[in-house]
Amino acid sequence: NAGVTQTPKFRVLKTGQSMTLLCAQDMNHEYMYWYRQDPGMGLRLIHYSVGEGTTAKGEVPDGYNVSRLKKQNFLLGLESAAPSQTSVYFCASSFEGGNEQFFGPGTRLTVL
Amino acid sequence: KQEVTQIPAALSVPEGENLVLNCSFTDSAIYNLQWFRQDPGKGLTSLLLIQSSQREQTSGRLNASLDKSSGRSTLYIAASQPGDSATYLCAVKIGGGGYQKVTFGIGTKLQVIP
Repeated sequence: NAGVTQTPKFRVLKTGQSMTLLCAQDMNHEYMYWYRQDPGMGLRLIHYSVGEGTTAKGEVPDGYNVSRLKKQNFLLGLESAAPSQTSVYFCASSFEGGNEQFFGPGTRLTVL
Repeated sequence: KQEVTQIPAALSVPEGENLVLNCSFTDSAIYNLQWFRQDPGKGLTSLLLIQSSQREQTSGRLNASLDKSSGRSTLYIAASQPGDSATYLCAVKIGGGGYQKVTFGIGTKLQVIP
C-alpha cells in the first residue's frame, strides 16, 4: 500500500495563477482532509469530505475549492493564488471520523 | 473556540531519559485526541489515538493518557533514543459523522542527545 500520496511535492506560482493539488489514498478510507501548515501555527483544516461526492468547509476554506469525484481522490484547487496561500499543504484520510488520520508527505507551495 | 496548547515548545534530553510531553485543550467535549510525530520537511506520522471514552493508549515505549475533565493529555516516552528526535503534535477532534472539527497544537520539538 502506498498510503496517502500527494502531487506535486513542490510548486511555485505567481499571484493570480490557478492550480490543483491532488491527493490519493489506497486504503479505502471514507474521510479525507486538506490542511495547511504555517510557521508558528498549528495545522488548520481547509476542507474535508466524509465520502465520495461530498465536501464540507473546515476552519479556513476561503480561496480554496475541493472535489471528491472518486473515493480514493481528493482535489484541492486554488482559483486565483495569493501570497497568503504560501504554505505547506497536507492531505489526510481516515476510515471513519473517529479513526486515526493518515497523512501524506505534503506539498510545499510558494506564491510570488 | 477550541484551543490546543503544547508545553514545552522545545525540549532537549540525554539519551535514555524518560520524558513527558503535555497537551492541553479548552473544550472538554472532544471526540478523540491523536498524537503525531513530524520529522523536518516530512508529513505527520500517527503515534496514538485516544477516543473520548478511553483513559490511555500504549504502543511500545509510548504511552498517552487523556483526562477530559481537566482538558489534558500527556505523551510519555520511555528510554528516549536519538531517533525519537522530532516535533510531536497533538490534535483534538470534536464532532462526529458529517461534522468534523480538528484543532492542532503547535507542537513540542524534541531533541534527544546521544
